[in-house]
Amino acid sequence: GNSVTQMEGPVTLSEEAFLTINCTYTATGYPSLFWYVQYPGEGLQLLLKATKADDKGSNKGFEATYRKETTSFHLEKGSVQVSDSAVYFCALSASDSGYALNFGKGTSLLVTP
Amino acid sequence: DTEVTQTPKHLVMGMTNKKSLKCEQHMGHRAMYWYKQKAKKPPELMFVYSYEKLSINESVPSRFSPECPNSSLLNLHLHALQPEDSALYLCASSRTSGGAGSYNEQFFGPGTRLTVL
Repeated sequence: GNSVTQMEGPVTLSEEAFLTINCTYTATGYPSLFWYVQYPGEGLQLLLKATKADDKGSNKGFEATYRKETTSFHLEKGSVQVSDSAVYFCALSASDSGYALNFGKGTSLLVTP
Repeated sequence: DTEVTQTPKHLVMGMTNKKSLKCEQHMGHRAMYWYKQKAKKPPELMFVYSYEKLSINESVPSRFSPECPNSSLLNLHLHALQPEDSALYLCASSRTSGGAGSYNEQFFGPGTRLTVL
């Protein structure tokens, strides 16, 4: 079956540090890949997406590249801010699971001043 | 309008109560979803509606009863819940529930935080 594996958190960084959150996936076929962010007490917001190999999704300074050869979709940001503190979920959707979102376990990020 | 709204924001109910959660979107999306999220866990899919018809039920207990009266509205009726059902209930919508790319990009509401006493 399809699955997503994220690096374990929590991740604690100082403001302006470089962020990487690793995400790898297992899927048959050609899934779409997503990063969602959840701020405390809120629902999920789509941060970025990629629908085919070598696509790069980007938004608000965050980037992730769909790497089919390594089945990865790592999230990066060059300089994090305190306001980036949240839980980040990597997810995939694929035809063989009815395009329902399959989430990773989530990575909690805390950015300190 | 790119928003999914959910009411109520918070709900406390006893195990014998009957209550309903409501979700609304006006983006013209034809797929709508209910997820359950426990603390520090990812959302778990409960139900998928496609063109107002139930297309996926992830073996959810019958004390949860979904309803899709029209393409903009999704309800979740609750009856005889257990304390372990306490969670954040998230609604989402997408253009369709099939097809790759932007068609199945899901937009989430803020959720209803449910406490069962």
